[in-house]
Amino acid sequence: QKEVEQNSGPLSVPEGAIASLNCTYSDRGSQSFFWYRQYSGKSPELIMSIYSNGDKEDGRFTAQLNKASQYVSLLIRDSQPSDSATYLCAVSNTDKLIFGTGTRLQVFP
Amino acid sequence: DVKVTQSSRYLVKRTGEKVFLECVQDMDHENMFWYRQDPGLGLRLIYFSYDVKMKEKGDIPEGYSVSREKKERFSLILESASTNQTSMYLCASSVAGTGRETQYFGPGTRLLVL
Repeated sequence: QKEVEQNSGPLSVPEGAIASLNCTYSDRGSQSFFWYRQYSGKSPELIMSIYSNGDKEDGRFTAQLNKASQYVSLLIRDSQPSDSATYLCAVSNTDKLIFGTGTRLQVFP
Repeated sequence: DVKVTQSSRYLVKRTGEKVFLECVQDMDHENMFWYRQDPGLGLRLIYFSYDVKMKEKGDIPEGYSVSREKKERFSLILESASTNQTSMYLCASSVAGTGRETQYFGPGTRLLVL
């Protein structure tokens, strides 16, 4: 079993819709959870971090964490073509991160 | 702004060559990391360092070594490059702490070993 699992996609959504990206993890001791965005040919950049159960909102982005279910998600509201990228889920309980393989999101006009 | 720079964006080397990839960060971060990224496999940790002259193996250290002589610089060394080391190499840095700290990535080096 992979430590951090994501559906590779592509996830295709129309412009203006809500994109929902999901991630499960295997280590129950994980404390910190991150979502990175990676455009093609570029390096990952942090979008959101979440540490407690529940929702955390930042602009059009909402991260959701459920530690009991070992599940973290990212919602992108009012999706734009510029959101088209690969989204990486990362999990940590130390200074090291374990990354999922990423979900490719395509937002079409 | 945090800035992490890598010595080359693209590199072509021959099998058996010794390859040096350099990473420099300008934010006085204690932690530095080297990853490789391959399609379908995601980001995998090669080595990391929590302090000068300190190094720890990551998940895939075989065929690699590292050097951290100064706090701001972390070098990845391929002792004898092989074709299966063709990959995108990413360096990252973060402050030391509780594990909640963001890792900031450099632009990456795309290495081709012929």
